[in-house]
Amino acid sequence: EDKVVQSPLSLVVHEGDTVTLNCSYEVTNFRSLLWYKQEKKAPTFLFMLTSSGIEKKSGRLSSILDKKELFSILNITATQTGDSAVYLCAAGYSTLTFGKGTMLLVSP
Amino acid sequence: SAVISQKPSRDICQRGTSLTIQCQVDSQVTMMFWYRQQPGQSLTLIATANQGSEATYESGFVIDKFPISRPNLTFSTLTVSNMSPEDSSIYLCSVVGREFPGELFFGEGSRLTVL
Repeated sequence: EDKVVQSPLSLVVHEGDTVTLNCSYEVTNFRSLLWYKQEKKAPTFLFMLTSSGIEKKSGRLSSILDKKELFSILNITATQTGDSAVYLCAAGYSTLTFGKGTMLLVSP
Repeated sequence: SAVISQKPSRDICQRGTSLTIQCQVDSQVTMMFWYRQQPGQSLTLIATANQGSEATYESGFVIDKFPISRPNLTFSTLTVSNMSPEDSSIYLCSVVGREFPGELFFGEGSRLTVL
C-alpha cells in the first residue's frame, strides 16, 4: 500500500524562526513529489520535485528531494504569521498519495 | 492556472439523504479528480472523472455510493448517496495544471456535515 508520512504532525514557532518539514514516501510508482499549503479548505500548489538533489526555491520557501532515501524536506526561513497553515506532501505517478500534513502555527 | 468553482461551500445533511456537489472549471480540462478529506486525515482520491466515459474509482469507493457525472470538459458533479455521519468530510474537486501528476488546482471544497 502506498504511504506518505509527514513529520512533525504539528509545530509551533515564533515569527522569524526557520522551520523544516519532513516527508517520507513509499509508493509503487513514483514520478513526482509535491508540496501544498492548505489554509482553509483548498490546498495551493507550492513545489513539484522530480529529481534528487535539485533545490526548488520560491521566496522564503525551498524544498529538496532525495530519491535514494525516499525523502523530501520543505524549509521556510524567516517565518511569518501568514505561513500558518497545514503543509501537505504528496507522491505518486498517475495518482497522488497524500500525507496527513504538518500543521504549522507561527506566533507573533 | 485554473479557476475552479465548487458548490455548495458547506451543507448540513440528514442521515440517509443524498447530496450533489458541483464543480465548474473556467477552462477545458481532460481530467478532473474528486478527493475527500475526513477530519484530521489526508486527502484521499475518490475517483477520476472522465469526459465521455464512466469515472474511474479508487479502491474503497464505489459508483453506487459516489456517482459522478462529467457531461463536458468544464463541469463535473459528485453525489454522496445515502449519507451517514462517516461521510462528514471536505470534498474537493481538482484539475491538473501544466503537468500530470503535478500542479493540481483545487476547488474551494465542500464541507459536508451529516447528522
